[in-house]
Amino acid sequence: GAVVSQHPSRVICKSGTSVKIECRSLDFQATTMFWYRQFPKQSLMLMATSNEGSKATYEQGVEKDKFLINHASLTLSTLTVTSAHPEDSSFYICSYDNSHDNEQFFGPGTRLTVL
Amino acid sequence: AQSVTQPDIHITVSEGASLELRCNYSYGATPYLFWYVQSPGQGLQLLLKYFSGDTLVQGIKGFEAEFKRSQSSFNLRKPSVHWSDAAEYFCAVVFGNQFYFGTGTSLTVIP
Repeated sequence: GAVVSQHPSRVICKSGTSVKIECRSLDFQATTMFWYRQFPKQSLMLMATSNEGSKATYEQGVEKDKFLINHASLTLSTLTVTSAHPEDSSFYICSYDNSHDNEQFFGPGTRLTVL
Repeated sequence: AQSVTQPDIHITVSEGASLELRCNYSYGATPYLFWYVQSPGQGLQLLLKYFSGDTLVQGIKGFEAEFKRSQSSFNLRKPSVHWSDAAEYFCAVVFGNQFYFGTGTSLTVIP
């Protein structure tokens, strides 16, 4: 399967600061990628879907101005949590769509803690 | 509306015992079906997937799953559980090109 990396794996920040999370596909190019959020002991919730070269589509209830997604290239996407607050603390996971059989390849996740 | 249900929030089994984790979906057609495992603080690892064909699917780590159209189910099974199988298990379905995850089943393995 494809390899997807995320950086950083863990980040702690102060309330009010912005945090950027990178998601890279290491061995394939994908036009579609997804960002998920997972709260403790809960399932993954889709935040947004983006296609390379176009704006992301956000799920209902997800603030686009707070969670900025830049699908910069076929191998790199970034999620920036702007003006982070403690309630944004969560596990953020990205995934790429392999575009031919609907399988997604998930990154290892980023644990964000906002103090 | 489409939905994915994992009825068991938490399951405890003894090491060496058999395991079955349940997954049901609600959709008008046959979706693509997946099972993932997540260890604490880690990302998702694909165990197996079903797209079409043989309804009994073999995956990694000795897991298998059976798609039953009549029951809209895709239950995960393992004949003999190992302590290292303790983790969170997620069933997922694809409707269109969007993943929908079940709420997960937490597996505890006791010696």
